[in-house]
Amino acid sequence: GESVGLHLPTLSVQEGDNSIINCAYSNSASDYFIWYKQESGKGPQFIIDIRSNMDKRQGQRVTVLLNKTVKHLSLQIAATQPGDSAVYFCAGNNAGNMLTFGGGTRLMVKP
Amino acid sequence: KAGVTQTPRYLIKTRGQQVTLSCSPISGHRSVSWYQQTPGQGLQFLFEYFSETQRNKGNFPGRFSGRQFSNSRSEMNVSTLELGDSALYLCASSFKDSHVNTQYFGPGTRLTVL
Repeated sequence: GESVGLHLPTLSVQEGDNSIINCAYSNSASDYFIWYKQESGKGPQFIIDIRSNMDKRQGQRVTVLLNKTVKHLSLQIAATQPGDSAVYFCAGNNAGNMLTFGGGTRLMVKP
Repeated sequence: KAGVTQTPRYLIKTRGQQVTLSCSPISGHRSVSWYQQTPGQGLQFLFEYFSETQRNKGNFPGRFSGRQFSNSRSEMNVSTLELGDSALYLCASSFKDSHVNTQYFGPGTRLTVL
């Protein structure tokens, strides 16, 4: 079936460094993508979104890049902090409010 | 503005029982979606309601059902519980019926089936 993202890898970074989390999607019809952050015991928290007519979007300390040619998304977090430690999910949407989620990436920030 | 709330937060049931979970969306939001999260399958879409109508349904058996009330609050029901139904059930609300709009998630209901 359709999927967004295939792995649950772990990314370990030093506090203050930049983090890059990657996600691949398979549904070419997806035209809206969202990154969520999920901390232990909580629901996913919206970070940033991007429409398919854009290549890049910036927020506070975060940037999302979209490469439609290779169906790839990335989330860049600048100056990573301990509070950024969580599991990060990308999700795609092409119809209704039916998000298709990737498997997630665990980000661990070392102090 | 208050976020999405879900009740109960934790639930323990035994096989064969049924369960009802509740979700109150953000005020003004008319769309409510439900997702199941398990370590093995990740986050999977269950169904979505907008203005009391089910608009989309994921690939889950008929034991999973839901409804939405006129105040946009939603409930989901799982009948004849199986061990594999143990999961975190997440509710998300959004303002519009367009797919290009942000869904905001609640904290989830942790269901354990024994």
